[in-house]
Amino acid sequence: EVQLVESGGGLVQPGGSLRLSCAASGFTFSNYWMHWVRQAPGKGLMWVSHINGDGTSTTYADSVRGRFTISRDNAKNSLYLQMNSLRAEDTAAYYCARDFPRSAWSFDYWGQGALVTVSS
Amino acid sequence: DIQLTQSPSSLSASVGGRVTITCRASQNISSYLNWYQQKPGKAPKFLIYASSSLQFGVPSRFSGSGSGTDFTLTISSLQPEDFATYYCQQSYSNPYTFGQGTKLEIK
Repeated sequence: EVQLVESGGGLVQPGGSLRLSCAASGFTFSNYWMHWVRQAPGKGLMWVSHINGDGTSTTYADSVRGRFTISRDNAKNSLYLQMNSLRAEDTAAYYCARDFPRSAWSFDYWGQGALVTVSS
Repeated sequence: DIQLTQSPSSLSASVGGRVTITCRASQNISSYLNWYQQKPGKAPKFLIYASSSLQFGVPSRFSGSGSGTDFTLTISSLQPEDFATYYCQQSYSNPYTFGQGTKLEIK
């Protein structure tokens, strides 16, 4: 059974940093592109970033480029999102999601989400 | 960026009824359109990919159609568990944008 479990969310002050983790199981992690998608409270979904299977290719949404870094450790079956220079508008539930190989850039499995609150 | 506009933003329907949600793209995205269902406090669930292909395990009362800029999600014979928010998402080009969502409520 495919499982994605995020951790590392919490309350952080504006300008601060936080690192999210996503533990994957039930599939060959290194074979899949992985994504981060976020959802502000009461709002819609926004794609944040993705990374290829061996970690050599990454892409970011304009609103987080230069502040967020996606990475992975295939030996640990883990995906990460390092978030720096956090702003109030980064407050959201952050989901890791697996790329669906039959239709690239769609998301077939999602974690339960990690809540990040940026506030003083 | 490609903008996706869903309509309506909300609707109410009865158990056993049929509903159609529309998603319009700001440019031609061929058939690179996907649909998700989200219930309160839960992660989205993958329903349909490539406009009309049903993800494994999704009930056949869900169907999708369209190409180019206009797409629809239809749910026939609504069940109590179908009342949720539905999102379309384009996988044509980065950034992979979502529609604003359509909230389906019980009448």
